[in-house]
Amino acid sequence: ILNVEQSPQSLHVQEGDSTNFTCSFPSSNFYALHWYRWETAKSPEALFVMTLNGDEKKKGRISATLNTKEGYSYLYIKGSQPEDSATYLCAFPNAGGTSYGKLTFGQGTILTVHP
Amino acid sequence: DGGITQSPKYLFRKEGQNVTLSCEQNLNHDAMYWYRQDPGQGLRLIYYSQIVNDFQKGDIAEGYSVSREKKESFPLTVTSAQKNPTAFYLCASSTSYGENQPQHFGDGTRLSIL
Repeated sequence: ILNVEQSPQSLHVQEGDSTNFTCSFPSSNFYALHWYRWETAKSPEALFVMTLNGDEKKKGRISATLNTKEGYSYLYIKGSQPEDSATYLCAFPNAGGTSYGKLTFGQGTILTVHP
Repeated sequence: DGGITQSPKYLFRKEGQNVTLSCEQNLNHDAMYWYRQDPGQGLRLIYYSQIVNDFQKGDIAEGYSVSREKKESFPLTVTSAQKNPTAFYLCASSTSYGENQPQHFGDGTRLSIL
């Protein structure tokens, strides 16, 4: 069973603060690393799919970095806004059938941004 | 608008009863997935389908069954053999089955035992 760990479990920040959280995954047999955002009462939404060591992706105020050699990815949010409040999930593809589309998800980091 | 529709939003099951959760997508995606979420746990994969008329067990398939007779539909049946079915169920799809493919999710079905 793959171990995908996210930390912290929850985070409370004030509006305007910048914040970051971590996803740790097995460093061997790396194929990709997914990040999703899940707002309350909505469906999870894909943020990034990262594939290359040293990769950095950006979407508005949210960015992510990837270190495949040491097995971690950071998600950064610059100038947090209340609408950034959500659970942030990372997922690690592993083998299933003839390809690697099976995702093992971390438990998520619950971010609350206070006005 | 393209998307994934799950129904019903809430479902109640009596002891010994089978129930079926619906998942329909109009994204023309080949691959579809079913996940279960329990409090304090990450999403866990129940079944997945790489293409129509094909499906494989995920990590927690016992007590569940699926079919994939049409590309757009991937219903999940929770059978009476599933002893702890109370959970939140999410359906997802992706363009194709592969590590680089982001998954698109429905709004979920919450199943409870009466």
